[in-house]
Amino acid sequence: AQSVSQHNHHVILSEAASLELGCNYSYGGTVNLFWYVQYPGQHLQLLLKYFSGDPLVKGIKGFEAEFIKSKFSFNLRKPSVQWSDTAEYFCAIDRGSTLGRLYFGRGTQLTVWP
Amino acid sequence: EAGVAQSPRYKIIEKRQSVAFWCNPISGHATLYWYQQILGQGPKLLIQFQNNGVVDDSQLPKDRFSAERLKGVDSTLKIQPAKLEDSAVYLCASNPIRGPYGYTFGSGTRLTVV
Repeated sequence: AQSVSQHNHHVILSEAASLELGCNYSYGGTVNLFWYVQYPGQHLQLLLKYFSGDPLVKGIKGFEAEFIKSKFSFNLRKPSVQWSDTAEYFCAIDRGSTLGRLYFGRGTQLTVWP
Repeated sequence: EAGVAQSPRYKIIEKRQSVAFWCNPISGHATLYWYQQILGQGPKLLIQFQNNGVVDDSQLPKDRFSAERLKGVDSTLKIQPAKLEDSAVYLCASNPIRGPYGYTFGSGTRLTVV
């Protein structure tokens, strides 16, 4: 079975602080990796995704993530957060097949104080 | 392009009652998914359709949950009878192909069972 772990359940930062949210997965095969964001009252939106190639992936709104295969990790980063980044962030994997089933972590609530 | 539409947005029912949720995917999207998101957890796949056929319903509690996708377009998810532990947000997502590449989520239906 595959699982996705997000160890930070709630992160509180001040504006302009740097952000790193951890994501680890347990699956030995090929995976596709995703970060989704859910703003209050809104639907899940894709921040970025990794399928292959350069392990450093850049997404929308200044977010990036690095896939480290040896560590089964896909951590999300942003050098300087804004109040508008307050949201819940979900890491997810797909097994690299064509089934399209996503396995999600439990999410990290990010609160940014102005 | 219009997003994935879901209704109702909120529903409160008593345990042992029945409830139904509706999803209208993005036009032309062949694959449709229903996820359950319990508070404090990430979304978990309940059922996946490819056109109007079921691809994966291994996580659907079939003694009380049922889903159908008529004519390969709209879908309904039903719970009968509901239990307290069914309180969750039910998310619908659609995808143009069989794979995670174009996932779009709806805003979800928040179900409270009292």
